Amino acid sequence: DGGITQSPKYLFRKEGQNVTLSCEQNLNHDAMYWYRQDPGQGLRLIYYSQIVNDFQKGDIAEGYSVSREKKESFPLTVTSAQKNPTAFYLCASTNRGNQPQHFGDGTRLSIL
Amino acid sequence: GQNIDQPTEMTATEGAIVQINCTYQTSGFNGLFWYQQHAGEAPTFLSYNVLDGLEEKGRFSSFLSRSKGYSYLLLKELQMKDSASYLCAVRDLWNQGGKLIFGQGTELSVKP
Repeated sequence: DGGITQSPKYLFRKEGQNVTLSCEQNLNHDAMYWYRQDPGQGLRLIYYSQIVNDFQKGDIAEGYSVSREKKESFPLTVTSAQKNPTAFYLCASTNRGNQPQHFGDGTRLSIL
Repeated sequence: GQNIDQPTEMTATEGAIVQINCTYQTSGFNGLFWYQQHAGEAPTFLSYNVLDGLEEKGRFSSFLSRSKGYSYLLLKELQMKDSASYLCAVRDLWNQGGKLIFGQGTELSVKP
């Protein structure tokens, strides 16, 4: 079945450590997105990519980095510069037109 | 600026009808989406409106008025499993990334 796979489901980060969240899709979607969700809040956009080898900062990009070397993959790195990384991270993808964004199951990141 | 407003919480009774409102002010508009999100899970797509009017899909309907910057989600014959957060999101123009701008979500509690 086509879909979006995020891994791991749970991730723990030590102080000063960079961690990478994986997002893979087999929907042949051009655009991919990373969102952060904090308790009781809506989703906030971190980075997005409309095409391979190109990506743009979203509203809260500081302390994060991404790459888009393949159409299927859009990994997110949470760097040590992100001082408050504890959140639920969601990856999504879509094509142009009227299609909705489809979401992965999310990764919950916590600080050790 | 860009702003999407929806009530924080609502309570309704099983079998009843509930309407969740959403107002928006965004720089671009390429459709409005409603998502359902159960606690700890990813959002799932419910409905999409790009033209004014009502879209009906089973127990769920969504209405849009672009001139008023207003939408609502109508849930009929409420079931206990409808207890969830409902997210209103506006999609920006594709040449601005086609990104979704989310409201904070409305937490709906369905009581017996």
